[in-house]
Amino acid sequence: AQTVTQSQPEMSVQEAETVTLSCTYDTSESNYYLFWYKQPPSRQMILVIRQEAYKQQNATENRFSVNFQKAAKSFSLKISDSQLGDTAMYFCAFTTAYSGAGSYQLTFGKGTKLSVIP
Amino acid sequence: DGGITQSPKYLFRKEGQNVTLSCEQNLNHDAMYWYRQDPGQGLRLIYYSQIVNDFQKGDIAEGYSVSREKKESFPLTVTSAQKNPTAFYLCASSPPPGTSGSYEQYFGPGTRLTVT
Repeated sequence: AQTVTQSQPEMSVQEAETVTLSCTYDTSESNYYLFWYKQPPSRQMILVIRQEAYKQQNATENRFSVNFQKAAKSFSLKISDSQLGDTAMYFCAFTTAYSGAGSYQLTFGKGTKLSVIP
Repeated sequence: DGGITQSPKYLFRKEGQNVTLSCEQNLNHDAMYWYRQDPGQGLRLIYYSQIVNDFQKGDIAEGYSVSREKKESFPLTVTSAQKNPTAFYLCASSPPPGTSGSYEQYFGPGTRLTVT
């Protein structure tokens, strides 16, 4: 079974600074996808960024980027120029790219609560 | 606009009563999912459905039931057998495998259920 571990239950960062959230996962699969979801106080889950395991290049989305280390099974999220609106729970998630199934089930970490301080 | 709706946002029930949470999507997605979220626990899968009239148990299905009579709808019933029903419930959907974004799940706004 796949597992996703987020070792930082809570973090804080000053506005405009950079912060990195950690995520490790365990799988025997070679083809999979990794995601970071954001859940602000409204509790709406929002996809921040995704990474395909077969791609060596780290994904970036504006101020958000990942450091994907496949051998180490590590998938950290870096937020640059932190803004007050980045305050949220952040969840790391994993799914295998098994094409035989009719859907792709996500396995989530327990989340990291990020507070951006003015 | 396409999306997922869940109603109501807040739901209160007395212990021993069954309650049904609504989830509707107009994204034309085949797969739909129900998750439960508790503080410090992340999201845990309750049930999922890949097509109409078919669904499978997730990791924590005990005390819950679902139906999938229409592609757009995937209601979740929390039965009196669920020992700790108070939680935040999230519904999600995803496109068919092989289509754009098929590995991603799109979430509704959630329903907070409180049972006393």
